Parts: sequence; C-alpha cells; structure tokens
Amino acid sequence: KAGVTQTPRYLIKTRGQQVTLSCSPISGHRSVSWYQQTPGQGLQFLFEYFSETQRNKGNFPGRFSGRQFSNSRSEMNVSTLELGDSALYLCASSLTRGNTEAFFGQGTRLTVV
Amino acid sequence: QKEVEQNSGPLSVPEGAIASLNCTYSDRGSQSFFWYRQYSGKSPELIMSIYSNGDKEDGRFTAQLNKASQYVSLLIRDSQPSDSATYLCAEDTGFQKLVFGTGTRLLVSP
Repeated sequence: KAGVTQTPRYLIKTRGQQVTLSCSPISGHRSVSWYQQTPGQGLQFLFEYFSETQRNKGNFPGRFSGRQFSNSRSEMNVSTLELGDSALYLCASSLTRGNTEAFFGQGTRLTVV
Repeated sequence: QKEVEQNSGPLSVPEGAIASLNCTYSDRGSQSFFWYRQYSGKSPELIMSIYSNGDKEDGRFTAQLNKASQYVSLLIRDSQPSDSATYLCAEDTGFQKLVFGTGTRLLVSP
C-alpha cells in the first residue's frame, strides 16, 4: 500500500515568487492536512481539507492557501515568498475526520533565497 | 493557546534500558493523542496513538494517558541505538488539527 507522496522533495525559490506543493494521500484517505516545520517554531498546523473543502485553518497569513481535488489529492500554494517561509512542508493523510491517525509524507524542503 | 509541553532533552539511556518520555497538554477537551518518531532529516513517523485513560502497548512501546492530570507518556523497553531520534507528542485539538510539542531527543548508547 503506497504511503503519502509529496512532490517535489526539494525546492529553491527567490523572494517574491510563488510556489505550489503537491500531496497525494494514502489510497482511501479523504482528509489531508498541511504542516510547516522549522527549527524555531517546530511543527505548526497550516490547514486541513476534507471533501474538497477547507475545514480547519491555522494561524498563517493569507499568502498560504490550498485546495483539494475530487480524488483527495491536495496542493498548497505560497505566494510572495519571504525568507521566513523556508521550511519543511509536510502533508498528513487521514482516513476521515475526528480522532483518527495521521500519516505524514516525506515532506517538501523549501528554501527561499 | 493550546499547548503541548515536552522536555527537549537529550534523554540519554544505555542500550537495553527503558526510555521514558513525557508530555503535558493544556486542552482538557482533547480526546486523541499521538507519539511520532522523527529521525534527523526525515518526516515524522506515527508510532502510537492513544484515546482513553490507561496504558496501550504495542511491541516495545507503551503509551500512557492520564486525562485528569493532562499528561501522556511513552515508554520504550529494551531501547536500541536505532531508537535514537526525536519523539514528538501531539494532541488532536479538533478534527485533524494536531498541536505538537517541540519534541524530546532520545540518545541510546551501545
């Protein structure tokens, strides 16, 4: 059974650019959450999607957005990149919503220069 | 502000010993708790989930939950050098929104 797949694995972008990251959840899983991990702030929740709708959102600026497709695959977008957006972006896949286990992908390492 | 607190460590134990990792949380309403293991440069890997008071055992791992005292712990029996990693405690504060602690670094020496 395939795990959570995130692409690309590594990205280098310039300040002011935008970036799109992709996540394919475990087959049959319908909830996809996104997290940002940095050495200073640790793992922080960005948002969660279920049935193509954003259901939950963390405390991040509007430059961070996402969407989910009918096959449960999800993308997140960061516009007007800042140096502080350099981080490991992790996608987590869950079977459904509410008290269920979340499984992480390998992550996308974003470096903003 | 819902928080999860962990001692950052490092926690050093010899091979074969029991490693005890602890975590406290502030949200009394949380129902689900998870332990993740993260090796350096890798993504978090789910190792235990616990939803009710008491102990839950899975192989060498035992998770303990005490909702009255708002703490969660993870015991690793017969610790191996391959267990050396950062262990992250997380609570589900509502519908897949996980709040993570900063993690405890475990070092198991041969």
